[in-house]
Amino acid sequence: DIQLTQSPSFLSASVGDRVTITCRASQGISSYLAWYQQKPGKAPKFLIYAASTLQSGVPSRFSGSGSATEFTLTISSLQPEDLATYYCQQVNNYPRTFGGGTKVEIK
Amino acid sequence: EVQLVESGGGLVQPGGCLRLSCAASGFTFSSYAMSWVRQAPGKGLEWVSVISGSGGSTYYADSVKGRFNISRDNSKNTLYLQMNSLRAEDTAVYYCAKESPQLDYWGQGNLVTVSS
Repeated sequence: DIQLTQSPSFLSASVGDRVTITCRASQGISSYLAWYQQKPGKAPKFLIYAASTLQSGVPSRFSGSGSATEFTLTISSLQPEDLATYYCQQVNNYPRTFGGGTKVEIK
Repeated sequence: EVQLVESGGGLVQPGGCLRLSCAASGFTFSSYAMSWVRQAPGKGLEWVSVISGSGGSTYYADSVKGRFNISRDNSKNTLYLQMNSLRAEDTAVYYCAKESPQLDYWGQGNLVTVSS
């Protein structure tokens, strides 16, 4: 099974800061990676697919990059509503797997 | 508008069984694979199972293989998860999600508690 390791597991940043989350895969998955945002008490929301393509309606301050085994999710200017936990997921093969999550706190 | 509405959760004793349902609307249900994802209290997301649009192919996480069964009724636009031999570690919020192949729409979640 493909393991996904996210780092950091927690980060605290100020409004307006640039935030970067990393997701590393245990083997190459090309660009078959998605990112999700989960706000407290809510279902996850789909943000990015194919490693770097923004889902319709997602603010442009979110971006994704990477391929093979290393991927990043960047929030260019952190906003108060970005308080959430972010997960990566590989969709290269089954079983699908998720990263452990990165909790983003606003200072 | 895509909607996924789960039902069937609740409290069950260890060793018991439960069936979750997920009613779908707003898209051509039979054209898409559907997945179940769960989240234990205070923990991260865990992928559980997927079924193809036709229902002919299924996959399971090792943690539920042999105990859970995913199925669908395309005439009713409904996804199911039959959960048998439930354990305390199966306690979680269970989400159904539409797969394309990323999970682009999610239900609201349904809590399953396994406890005596």
